[in-house]
Amino acid sequence: GQQLNQSPQSMFIQEGEDVSMNCTSSSIFNTWLWYKQDPGEGPVLLIALYKAGELTSNGRLTAQFGITRKDSFLNISASIPSDVGIYFCAGQLDSNYQLIWGAGTKLIIKP
Amino acid sequence: KAGVTQTPRYLIKTRGQQVTLSCSPISGHRSVSWYQQTPGQGLQFLFEYFSETQRNKGNFPGRFSGRQFSNSRSEMNVSTLELGDSALYLCASRPGSIGVDTQYFGPGTRLTVL
Repeated sequence: GQQLNQSPQSMFIQEGEDVSMNCTSSSIFNTWLWYKQDPGEGPVLLIALYKAGELTSNGRLTAQFGITRKDSFLNISASIPSDVGIYFCAGQLDSNYQLIWGAGTKLIIKP
Repeated sequence: KAGVTQTPRYLIKTRGQQVTLSCSPISGHRSVSWYQQTPGQGLQFLFEYFSETQRNKGNFPGRFSGRQFSNSRSEMNVSTLELGDSALYLCASRPGSIGVDTQYFGPGTRLTVL
């Protein structure tokens, strides 16, 4: 099925480092969502973006809706051990309400 | 308020069998969506039900079907299982028919097909 291009696929970082990941698509979206999934759990919504250019923060997380409406990024500042997990982006198509998902970015914190 | 619950949490089947998964949405939520999650593939949308009617459908073969009951609980059925059907199946519920950002996910049912 249709997917967003999410990168990187995985990240190994030190505790305290900043993290950046992004999603791109050839399609225009009217909503971008960022989720986090912990092992054995379903995804949990972190940030929702509704307008091109919008920059939204949720604690140490910041996400932006690209001006072209075809991309979005998520930054995590000063990472901590509980940040480990898989982060997904999802875009809502302009023509219908179906969500299109990225393949995920697995965040691993080096001991 | 109780979250989305899915049963069973784990399931092992063999090729050719059929399986039924169950999802109980958050109380008051009328929309239930189903997703298939495989490693490295993200989530693939299966279908969405709202008020017992299928509203949207993804690109999956007819072996995948679902239904929703009057109490908003939903079931998903996969017939003639194939090895490639091994995956985590997630359901998500939300209050209404719009606003995908309001959906909440259950923990999933992990299906293994041998």
